[in-house]
Amino acid sequence: EAGVVQSPRYKIIEKKQPVAFWCNPISGHNTLYWYRQNLGQGPELLIRYENEEAVDDSQLPKDRFSAERLKGVDSTLKIQPAELGDSAVYLCASSLGSSGSYNEQFFGPGTRLTVL
Amino acid sequence: QQQVKQSPQSLIVQKGGISIINCAYENTAFDYFPWYQQFPGKGPALLIAIRPDVSEKKEGRFTISFNKSAKQFSLHIMDSQPGDSATYFCAASSTGFKTIFGAGTRLFVKA
Repeated sequence: EAGVVQSPRYKIIEKKQPVAFWCNPISGHNTLYWYRQNLGQGPELLIRYENEEAVDDSQLPKDRFSAERLKGVDSTLKIQPAELGDSAVYLCASSLGSSGSYNEQFFGPGTRLTVL
Repeated sequence: QQQVKQSPQSLIVQKGGISIINCAYENTAFDYFPWYQQFPGKGPALLIAIRPDVSEKKEGRFTISFNKSAKQFSLHIMDSQPGDSATYFCAASSTGFKTIFGAGTRLFVKA
């Protein structure tokens, strides 16, 4: 069974430029998560989807970040415009059921973003 | 209230030794405590998890000890091996609530 797929793996951009990340979750997983992992820190949730509905986006900086999950499968996370402080690894994860108890989250390898 | 505090930040252990990583939480609503292992360039992967109705869970060389009254839990890696060298994250969550991760512990096992 294929794991969570993310692309690109690495991205280097100038500040103020737009950038987009793509995620394909494990087949059959209804819940999809986007996390940001700063250097030397644990992942922090940006947004969680249950199927195509965003059910927790309280940590998403909505002035510059947007996300979508069309048809409840693949998802895209966009930053426009990027700032220096956005440099981080962006992780996508998926799980069979709802967030929280007992549902193992499977993480992709992440996209390492560097903003110059 | 939503923080999970993890220590130490880094740990060096001799091969065959015991690695111990500690975590503490504040929110008593948390009812699921997983540990994740992350290798460089990879995403975190679930290692072992515990619910607060038990005080200990063991899977192979990995054991979680849980102290509900102290709101603390720890990961013990017995007979540590160089292949265990990675970053370990504790986490806490509850139904319908997001998962909160600790800051991570970088473990290095010397051969």
